[in-house]
Amino acid sequence: GENVEQHPSTLSVQEGDSAVIKCTYSDSASNYFPWYKQELGKGPQLIIDIRSNVGEKKDQRIAVTLNKTAKHFSLHITETQPEDSAVYFCAASRNTGNQFYFGTGTSLTVIP
Amino acid sequence: KAGVTQTPRYLIKTRGQQVTLSCSPISGHRSVSWYQQTPGQGLQFLFEYFSETQRNKGNFPGRFSGRQFSNSRSEMNVSTLELGDSALYLCATAVSHRNEQFFGPGTRLTVL
Repeated sequence: GENVEQHPSTLSVQEGDSAVIKCTYSDSASNYFPWYKQELGKGPQLIIDIRSNVGEKKDQRIAVTLNKTAKHFSLHITETQPEDSAVYFCAASRNTGNQFYFGTGTSLTVIP
Repeated sequence: KAGVTQTPRYLIKTRGQQVTLSCSPISGHRSVSWYQQTPGQGLQFLFEYFSETQRNKGNFPGRFSGRQFSNSRSEMNVSTLELGDSALYLCATAVSHRNEQFFGPGTRLTVL
């Protein structure tokens, strides 16, 4: 089955700096890669996603890049704010249903 | 548009008991997936239902089961509870032909 690895497990940045979280996957058939943000006591919230026919996608301060050859994808958050502090999860899935394989999460702390 | 609803939000059970959790999807979403989230194992896929049929299944014992009703609401059942079943159980729903999944707030199950 698919194996998704996520790094780093914890990340602290100063407010206004950028944060980068990286994930690798093993199944070359995976073609959909979402990123979720989970705040304490809440369910994961979809923040951005990318499909395998696209190399990069951006939404305001958040961007995701995908390298299919190397089987890795990354989340980039620019101009970080304290409200960006949360746990971020990457995931990978095929098109054959909605079974997601999740990374182990990155706890991001933005220091004011 | 209302989000994904999960009930109950919190449950305390004892070993050997059984429990039923409920998930009401976003209107128009026909796919419902269930995940178990624990600090040690992270987010793990349990199963997915679409049009009242189980479409995918993860690597969990038969004590974990589910079903989906004609209105797309889903329930999952855990029988003969074990201490290790203590976790946050999340459901995520999606439109059938797209992969974007939206999570509910989860049910926190504690097994004593």
